[in-house]
This record gives sequence, C-alpha cells and structure tokens, in this order.
Amino acid sequence: GEDVEQSLFLSVREGDSSVINCTYTDSSSTYLYWYKQEPGAGLQLLTYIFSNMDMKQDQRLTVLLNKKDKHLSLRIADTQTGDSAIYFCAENKKGTYKYIFGTGTRLKVLA
Amino acid sequence: EAQVTQNPRYLITVTGKKLTVTCSQNMNHEYMSWYRQDPGLGLRQIYYSMNVEVTDKGDVPEGYKVSRKEKRNFPLILESPSPNQTSLYFCASSPTGGVEGSTGELFFGEGSRLTVL
Repeated sequence: GEDVEQSLFLSVREGDSSVINCTYTDSSSTYLYWYKQEPGAGLQLLTYIFSNMDMKQDQRLTVLLNKKDKHLSLRIADTQTGDSAIYFCAENKKGTYKYIFGTGTRLKVLA
Repeated sequence: EAQVTQNPRYLITVTGKKLTVTCSQNMNHEYMSWYRQDPGLGLRQIYYSMNVEVTDKGDVPEGYKVSRKEKRNFPLILESPSPNQTSLYFCASSPTGGVEGSTGELFFGEGSRLTVL
C-alpha cells in the first residue's frame, strides 16, 4: 500500500527534546518532508531531506532517514510551547506529481 | 505577499447543492493540488494539476471535479455534495510539483472547512 504512518500524539515538557517518527513505504521517493500545522492554519514546510542523505540539521531540527527500514524522524531540540502543533511527514514519489502524507502527530508541549 | 488564497474559509451547505471552493496563487506556480484532511487519516490528495488544462486524479477523487483554465486558479467543484464530504480542504501549489531538479515544496492555503448536512 501507500500508507505513511505516524503515531497520533506526543506530549513533552518544555525544554525537552521531541522525536516524531514516521514510516513510509515507497523506497523510490525522492524527497521526504516535514510539515507543521498550527491551529486554524494551513501546513508550512519545516524541512525536507533528499533520499540520498542520512541526516539533515537545521538549527533546532534534526532529520534522520533510515532508508533500509523506511523510517524518517524529526527531532526538535529544546522544545518550546510554540512548537505545539500537528506535524506531518510526507513523501514525493519519484518522477510523479503525487504526494503521500502521513496521518499527522499532534505534539503538545507542557510548560 | 506570496500566498495561496482559498474561499470560502467556512461553509455549511445541504446535500445535493452544488458548490465551488476557489483557490488562487500569486506565485506563478505550475503545479496546484487539492487535499482533504480528516481526523486519523491525515491529508489525502483529491486532484492535482501540472499546468493549465492538465489535471489528474489523486487518491480520493470521487464526488469532486476540478478545472485549470488559468495558471493562478484551481477551483474544486462539488456537483452534488454528500455528508461524507464534510471535511477540511486545503489547496496547495508548487513551482513544478516535485519532478526532477525541484524540491517539490508545497505552499498551502489556510483551509476551507466544509460541512454538508
């Protein structure tokens, strides 16, 4: 199938690290993405990783890609209350215009 | 300001009454697409368009129509809405839609919440 799977909820304390996980199914995907959705708003791209990379770091964000296990993770260091949102992973199937999104993980940051 | 604009943002309608959700982008993007967001199901692609007059079905196209007569506009048409089309709808655009040489980043509108009674 074409499911991209994520756990639905994650709760962390302010200042801790958050790790959001995602498993995808299409090993030919070119790009994998993390989008953030704040309440009442559309999705915004947080970061992306090209499929020939293992890791990408961007300030507080670290993306890890394990192609063997088809596993993608997003680590947010020093999580803040403003990071509370729904996080979606997504893949773009290589050579196509199709995007497959995960179910989204709702991150709640406790003060 | 570069943006994707959807209208209406909120709509309550009744079964069978045709409606159109408009989407417009001012970034000269070739690629546009529609998604619906449902609890526990994430975003599912309804239709997409690679350029003017070129459209294709996504994963859940049943009950929807689209058209792309101009580059900036990509309306979503529900000819005869039913309660199972109650959902949050997002329009998105991208410079080229993720083909070779492009990161494929999608730019999203703020969403249109549709309720069909």
